[in-house]
Amino acid sequence: AQSVTQLDSQVPVFEEAPVELRCNYSSSVSVYLFWYVQYPNQGLQLLLKYLSGSTLVESINGFEAEFNKSQTSFHLRKPSVHISDTAEYFCALGNSGYALNFGKGTSLLVTP
Amino acid sequence: DVKVTQSSRYLVKRTGEKVFLECVQDMDHENMFWYRQDPGLGLRLIYFSYDVKMKEKGDIPEGYSVSREKKERFSLILESASTNQTSMYLCASSSSGVARYIQYFGAGTRLSVL
Repeated sequence: AQSVTQLDSQVPVFEEAPVELRCNYSSSVSVYLFWYVQYPNQGLQLLLKYLSGSTLVESINGFEAEFNKSQTSFHLRKPSVHISDTAEYFCALGNSGYALNFGKGTSLLVTP
Repeated sequence: DVKVTQSSRYLVKRTGEKVFLECVQDMDHENMFWYRQDPGLGLRLIYFSYDVKMKEKGDIPEGYSVSREKKERFSLILESASTNQTSMYLCASSSSGVARYIQYFGAGTRLSVL
């Protein structure tokens, strides 16, 4: 069985501080990994993806995530957050079939 | 840009009513999905469809049905709404191959069943 665990339900952080949102997965086969973001009152949108190749993937707004097969992790990081990064972040896994397996989400709250 | 449109942002219904939630995508995607989102539970898959008239149950299909008569439209039906179906409902679509995991979401329908 496959599963995704997001270790923190809420992460409060001050503006311009670094942040890490943790994601661990469980799967017996090769995986594709994703981070989706949900801004207030909106649907989810893809933030970044790992399909193959380089284990470090980056988004256009400064987030990055590293696929670590030995630790079965795909943590999301940003060196300096902005108020506008306040959102719910979902880690997701795909390895067979059609559907994604989502984690329960981490709420990132950035304050001045 | 891919657009996934859900017909209502907010909906209030009575217990026992039949409820239709509609979703339309404009990118000729093969796959469409219905999720419900609840605080602390994340997203849970209700049903998905990989082709017209084809559907598969997700993790929590009980109390729901779906219809996909046209490629661009995927409807979620609550045959007899109950209070425990009060939730945020999200529709998504995706294309084929590995891109099936790159899902595009609508803005959601917040359903309250009284």
